[in-house]
Amino acid sequence: QKEVEQNSGPLSVPEGAIASLNCTYSDRGSQSFFWYRQYSGKSPELIMFIYSNGDKEDGRFTAQLNKASQYVSLLIRDSQPSDSATYLCAVNMLYSSASKIIFGSGTRLSIRP
Amino acid sequence: DTEVTQTPKHLVMGMTNKKSLKCEQHMGHRAMYWYKQKAKKPPELMFVYSYEKLSINESVPSRFSPECPNSSLLNLHLHALQPEDSALYLCASSQTAGSHNEQFFGPGTRLTVL
Repeated sequence: QKEVEQNSGPLSVPEGAIASLNCTYSDRGSQSFFWYRQYSGKSPELIMFIYSNGDKEDGRFTAQLNKASQYVSLLIRDSQPSDSATYLCAVNMLYSSASKIIFGSGTRLSIRP
Repeated sequence: DTEVTQTPKHLVMGMTNKKSLKCEQHMGHRAMYWYKQKAKKPPELMFVYSYEKLSINESVPSRFSPECPNSSLLNLHLHALQPEDSALYLCASSQTAGSHNEQFFGPGTRLTVL
């Protein structure tokens, strides 16, 4: 089982609709969770992070965390063509004196006009 | 200033060359990271530095040699690389290397090994 799993997509969503991206993780001890957006040829850009169970909202983005189900999701409201990118789910795991982020394989999102 | 800078943006090198990648941040972060990313794959962690000391080495071949001269700078020295080492090399930093710390990425260096 992969440590962080995402549906690779592509996920196609009409402009103005809600895009829903999902991620599951295997390590129950994981403490923090991140969503990065990556445009083709560019580096990952942090768009959301969440530590506690429940929802966290920032503008058009909502991150949802359910530690009991080992599940984290990202909702994008009022999707825009500029949201078309690969979304990477990342989970922070603590190893001895330092932690490291494990990335999922990413979900390609396409917003169609 | 929330920027991580990397130089050069692009690098082409032969298998016998020695080159270095540089990364700099001025956010006061005490943890810095090197990642390697191949096309259509997620970033893979290579090294973690915490308070200028190497904390994690993900069994990276010795032809990659990291160096952290001070809290703002991170280098990756390259020697005798193979064509399969061609990739996007990403530097990141975070406040500390503990959990609950967001990592911010630089723009990356696109490396081609001939």
